[in-house]
Amino acid sequence: KQEVTQIPAALSVPEGENLVLNCSFTDSAIYNLQWFRQDPGKGLTSLLLIQSSQREQTSGRLNASLDKSSGRSTLYIAASQPGDSATYLCAVGGSNYQLIWGAGTKLIIKP
Amino acid sequence: EAQVTQNPRYLITVTGKKLTVTCSQNMNHEYMSWYRQDPGLGLRQIYYSMNVEVTDKGDVPEGYKVSRKEKRNFPLILESPSPNQTSLYFCASRTGQGAYTFGSGTRLTVV
Repeated sequence: KQEVTQIPAALSVPEGENLVLNCSFTDSAIYNLQWFRQDPGKGLTSLLLIQSSQREQTSGRLNASLDKSSGRSTLYIAASQPGDSATYLCAVGGSNYQLIWGAGTKLIIKP
Repeated sequence: EAQVTQNPRYLITVTGKKLTVTCSQNMNHEYMSWYRQDPGLGLRQIYYSMNVEVTDKGDVPEGYKVSRKEKRNFPLILESPSPNQTSLYFCASRTGQGAYTFGSGTRLTVV
Protein backbone atom coordinates (compact mmCIF):
# COMPACT_ATOMS: atom_id res chain seq x y z
CA LYS A 1 0.00 0.00 0.00
CA GLN A 2 1.35 3.40 -1.01
CA GLU A 3 2.39 5.65 1.87
CA VAL A 4 3.38 9.28 1.50
CA THR A 5 5.51 11.05 4.09
CA GLN A 6 6.36 14.72 4.34
CA ILE A 7 9.30 15.93 6.38
CA PRO A 8 9.53 18.20 8.24
CA ALA A 9 6.04 18.56 9.68
CA ALA A 10 6.74 22.21 10.39
CA LEU A 11 9.39 24.70 9.31
CA SER A 12 10.07 28.29 10.29
CA VAL A 13 12.61 30.35 8.36
CA PRO A 14 13.49 34.05 7.96
CA GLU A 15 12.24 35.90 4.93
CA GLY A 16 14.50 35.72 1.90
CA GLU A 17 15.86 32.24 2.48
CA ASN A 18 15.70 29.47 -0.07
CA LEU A 19 14.11 26.32 1.30
CA VAL A 20 13.29 22.73 0.40
CA LEU A 21 10.26 20.70 1.39
CA ASN A 22 10.47 16.94 1.12
CA CYS A 23 7.98 14.28 0.10
CA SER A 24 8.72 10.57 0.02
CA PHE A 25 6.61 7.66 -1.17
CA THR A 26 6.98 3.92 -0.76
CA ASP A 27 5.83 2.61 -4.16
CA SER A 28 7.59 3.98 -7.22
CA ALA A 29 4.75 2.92 -9.54
CA ILE A 30 3.06 6.31 -9.58
CA TYR A 31 1.22 8.14 -12.34
CA ASN A 32 2.06 11.63 -11.19
CA LEU A 33 2.77 13.80 -8.15
CA GLN A 34 1.11 17.08 -7.30
CA TRP A 35 2.06 19.80 -4.80
CA PHE A 36 -0.68 21.88 -3.20
CA ARG A 37 -0.80 24.84 -0.91
CA GLN A 38 -3.44 25.29 1.80
CA ASP A 39 -3.98 28.48 3.77
CA PRO A 40 -5.63 28.10 7.21
CA GLY A 41 -9.27 27.08 6.87
CA LYS A 42 -9.12 27.58 3.14
CA GLY A 43 -9.13 25.52 -0.01
CA LEU A 44 -6.32 23.71 -1.77
CA THR A 45 -4.41 25.51 -4.48
CA SER A 46 -2.52 23.41 -6.99
CA LEU A 47 1.09 24.55 -7.31
CA LEU A 48 2.84 22.06 -9.56
CA LEU A 49 2.05 18.76 -11.23
CA ILE A 50 4.80 16.37 -12.31
CA GLN A 51 3.88 13.47 -14.55
CA SER A 52 5.71 10.18 -13.96
CA SER A 53 7.79 10.68 -17.12
CA GLN A 54 9.02 14.10 -16.00
CA ARG A 55 11.89 15.02 -13.68
CA GLU A 56 10.86 18.53 -12.66
CA GLN A 57 8.44 21.38 -13.10
CA THR A 58 8.90 25.09 -12.45
CA SER A 59 6.51 27.93 -11.77
CA GLY A 60 7.92 31.29 -10.77
CA ARG A 61 9.92 30.88 -7.54
CA LEU A 62 8.81 27.25 -7.18
CA ASN A 63 10.57 24.21 -8.52
CA ALA A 64 9.45 20.65 -7.92
CA SER A 65 11.54 17.60 -8.71
CA LEU A 66 10.63 13.95 -8.94
CA ASP A 67 12.88 10.90 -8.54
CA LYS A 68 10.70 7.83 -8.84
CA SER A 69 13.52 5.35 -8.33
CA SER A 70 14.29 6.74 -4.89
CA GLY A 71 10.66 7.55 -4.07
CA ARG A 72 11.27 11.23 -3.50
CA SER A 73 10.03 14.63 -4.54
CA THR A 74 11.23 18.02 -3.39
CA LEU A 75 9.59 21.43 -3.57
CA TYR A 76 12.14 24.22 -3.74
CA ILE A 77 11.01 27.73 -2.84
CA ALA A 78 13.41 30.51 -3.76
CA ALA A 79 13.65 33.84 -1.96
CA SER A 80 10.86 33.04 0.49
CA GLN A 81 8.30 35.71 1.41
CA PRO A 82 5.85 36.01 4.33
CA GLY A 83 3.05 35.35 1.82
CA ASP A 84 4.49 31.88 1.28
CA SER A 85 3.40 30.93 4.80
CA ALA A 86 0.93 28.05 4.45
CA THR A 87 0.70 24.29 4.69
CA TYR A 88 2.19 22.49 1.70
CA LEU A 89 0.72 19.13 0.76
CA CYS A 90 2.18 16.49 -1.49
CA ALA A 91 -0.17 14.02 -3.20
CA VAL A 92 0.84 11.01 -5.26
CA GLY A 93 -1.39 9.95 -8.15
CA GLY A 94 -1.84 6.18 -8.07
CA SER A 95 -4.03 3.88 -10.08
CA ASN A 96 -6.72 5.86 -11.93
CA TYR A 97 -4.93 8.98 -10.66
CA GLN A 98 -6.47 8.51 -7.21
CA LEU A 99 -4.58 10.72 -4.79
CA ILE A 100 -2.62 9.45 -1.80
CA TRP A 101 -1.85 12.35 0.49
CA GLY A 102 1.02 13.32 2.73
CA ALA A 103 0.25 14.95 6.07
CA GLY A 104 1.74 18.26 4.97
CA THR A 105 4.49 20.65 6.01
CA LYS A 106 3.43 23.81 7.82
CA LEU A 107 5.69 26.61 6.66
CA ILE A 108 6.13 29.92 8.47
CA ILE A 109 8.18 32.68 6.89
CA LYS A 110 9.25 35.27 9.47
CA PRO A 111 9.44 38.90 8.27
CA GLU B 1 -12.21 31.43 -14.96
CA ALA B 2 -11.78 27.69 -14.57
CA GLN B 3 -13.01 26.72 -11.16
CA VAL B 4 -14.80 24.35 -8.83
CA THR B 5 -17.56 26.04 -6.86
CA GLN B 6 -18.89 24.66 -3.59
CA ASN B 7 -21.82 25.93 -1.58
CA PRO B 8 -22.30 26.75 1.17
CA ARG B 9 -18.89 27.76 2.55
CA TYR B 10 -20.07 27.36 6.13
CA LEU B 11 -22.95 25.32 7.51
CA ILE B 12 -24.15 24.59 11.02
CA THR B 13 -26.91 22.03 11.33
CA VAL B 14 -28.52 19.72 13.84
CA THR B 15 -28.21 15.97 14.06
CA GLY B 16 -30.53 14.15 11.67
CA LYS B 17 -31.49 17.08 9.45
CA LYS B 18 -30.80 16.21 5.84
CA LEU B 19 -28.45 18.51 3.97
CA THR B 20 -26.84 18.84 0.56
CA VAL B 21 -23.53 20.47 -0.31
CA THR B 22 -23.41 21.47 -3.94
CA CYS B 23 -20.38 21.26 -6.20
CA SER B 24 -20.09 22.53 -9.75
CA GLN B 25 -17.18 22.70 -12.19
CA ASN B 26 -16.91 24.62 -15.46
CA MET B 27 -13.97 22.74 -17.01
CA ASN B 28 -15.92 19.88 -18.61
CA HIS B 29 -13.98 17.37 -16.49
CA GLU B 30 -15.29 13.84 -16.43
CA TYR B 31 -13.83 13.01 -13.01
CA MET B 32 -15.06 14.57 -9.79
CA SER B 33 -14.59 13.62 -6.15
CA TRP B 34 -15.35 14.58 -2.55
CA TYR B 35 -12.91 14.66 0.36
CA ARG B 36 -13.09 15.43 4.02
CA GLN B 37 -10.23 16.87 6.00
CA ASP B 38 -9.84 16.34 9.73
CA PRO B 39 -6.99 17.31 12.08
CA GLY B 40 -4.51 14.47 12.42
CA LEU B 41 -6.22 12.39 9.74
CA GLY B 42 -5.47 14.48 6.68
CA LEU B 43 -7.56 14.31 3.52
CA ARG B 44 -9.71 11.25 2.95
CA GLN B 45 -11.79 10.51 -0.09
CA ILE B 46 -15.53 10.03 0.40
CA TYR B 47 -16.85 9.31 -3.10
CA TYR B 48 -15.72 9.82 -6.63
CA SER B 49 -17.28 9.80 -10.08
CA MET B 50 -15.53 8.84 -13.30
CA ASN B 51 -18.37 10.16 -15.46
CA VAL B 52 -22.07 10.91 -15.56
CA GLU B 53 -24.13 8.28 -13.74
CA VAL B 54 -20.94 6.51 -12.55
CA THR B 55 -20.06 6.85 -8.87
CA ASP B 56 -17.83 4.81 -6.54
CA LYS B 57 -17.03 4.71 -2.86
CA GLY B 58 -13.80 6.16 -1.59
CA ASP B 59 -12.18 5.47 1.75
CA VAL B 60 -14.90 6.85 4.06
CA PRO B 61 -18.31 6.64 2.31
CA GLU B 62 -20.49 5.71 5.31
CA GLY B 63 -23.19 8.28 5.99
CA TYR B 64 -22.85 10.01 2.63
CA LYS B 65 -24.54 9.84 -0.75
CA VAL B 66 -23.69 11.43 -4.07
CA SER B 67 -25.25 11.73 -7.48
CA ARG B 68 -23.90 12.61 -10.92
CA LYS B 69 -26.83 13.35 -13.20
CA GLU B 70 -24.87 15.81 -15.31
CA LYS B 71 -21.19 16.35 -15.92
CA ARG B 72 -20.78 19.70 -14.19
CA ASN B 73 -22.52 18.92 -10.87
CA PHE B 74 -21.63 16.47 -8.10
CA PRO B 75 -23.64 17.14 -4.92
CA LEU B 76 -22.79 15.54 -1.58
CA ILE B 77 -25.81 14.46 0.46
CA LEU B 78 -25.91 13.76 4.17
CA GLU B 79 -29.31 12.20 4.80
CA SER B 80 -28.99 12.03 8.58
CA PRO B 81 -25.93 14.01 9.68
CA SER B 82 -24.19 13.11 12.92
CA PRO B 83 -21.61 15.05 14.98
CA ASN B 84 -18.78 12.81 13.69
CA GLN B 85 -19.42 14.28 10.24
CA THR B 86 -18.32 17.69 11.47
CA SER B 87 -15.42 18.40 9.13
CA LEU B 88 -13.99 20.48 6.31
CA TYR B 89 -15.23 19.15 2.96
CA PHE B 90 -13.64 19.62 -0.43
CA CYS B 91 -14.94 18.91 -3.89
CA ALA B 92 -12.49 18.43 -6.75
CA SER B 93 -12.45 17.76 -10.46
CA ARG B 94 -9.63 16.40 -12.53
CA THR B 95 -8.28 16.43 -16.07
CA GLY B 96 -7.58 13.23 -17.98
CA GLN B 97 -3.87 13.71 -17.14
CA GLY B 98 -4.51 13.74 -13.40
CA ALA B 99 -4.34 17.47 -12.65
CA TYR B 100 -6.73 18.29 -9.82
CA THR B 101 -8.64 21.49 -9.12
CA PHE B 102 -10.24 21.89 -5.70
CA GLY B 103 -13.11 23.98 -4.46
CA SER B 104 -12.72 26.44 -1.59
CA GLY B 105 -14.18 24.04 0.95
CA THR B 106 -17.29 23.74 3.08
CA ARG B 107 -16.92 23.83 6.83
CA LEU B 108 -19.73 21.74 8.30
CA THR B 109 -20.63 21.63 11.96
CA VAL B 110 -23.23 19.13 13.16
CA VAL B 111 -24.54 19.75 16.69
